[in-house]
Amino acid sequence: GAVVSQHPSRVICKSGTSVKIECRSLDFQATTMFWYRQFPKQSLMLMATSNEGSKATYEQGVEKDKFLINHASLTLSTLTVTSAHPEDSSFYICSARDFDVTGELFFGEGSRLTVL
Amino acid sequence: ELKVEQNPLFLSMQEGKNYTIYCNYSTTSDRLYWYRQDPGKSLESLFVLLSNGAVKQEGRLMASLDTKARLSTLHITAAVHDLSATYFCAVGPNNNDMRFGAGTRLTVKP
Repeated sequence: GAVVSQHPSRVICKSGTSVKIECRSLDFQATTMFWYRQFPKQSLMLMATSNEGSKATYEQGVEKDKFLINHASLTLSTLTVTSAHPEDSSFYICSARDFDVTGELFFGEGSRLTVL
Repeated sequence: ELKVEQNPLFLSMQEGKNYTIYCNYSTTSDRLYWYRQDPGKSLESLFVLLSNGAVKQEGRLMASLDTKARLSTLHITAAVHDLSATYFCAVGPNNNDMRFGAGTRLTVKP
């Protein structure tokens, strides 16, 4: 199947710093990517839809100034957690839809953020 | 708003036994997905169900879809320890984003 790569897989940072997470589609072009957040032992919660060349669409309750999303190319979307706080600690997962493969959604490996 | 309900949320099984996980969703959708997640890992795609009556099988897992009832099932046959994981169903109507069920945490005991 299609491959989505996410980096870094783990990051530890101090409160107040910003962290950037990259999501790349390696063997297909993705005009749309999705960012999810997962707390321990919970399901995935959609944060935002990242659209290539335009602004991201955020889900209700997600602060767009806190979670900056940039989708500058057809293979790369980035999520920047700005001024991170301990409550931002979570598992962040990106996904991209390969329309050539029944529209199936492929997921990155996930990025575990720990804010101290 | 699309809602996806999964049950049970927790499932403890003996090896060799059979069981079914249920996934109900609230609005019309033309596709339903099943994923597996191991602790600390991302999601692994198991099945993509695209039409009413679709049935797919892989090893000890079999998934089915009834779009009229808005119900999908994931049946586990003769469970083995390696199947221990969390299983999610997800619905993605009309090529939009996916909404996930709460997940079923499966533990298979010897």
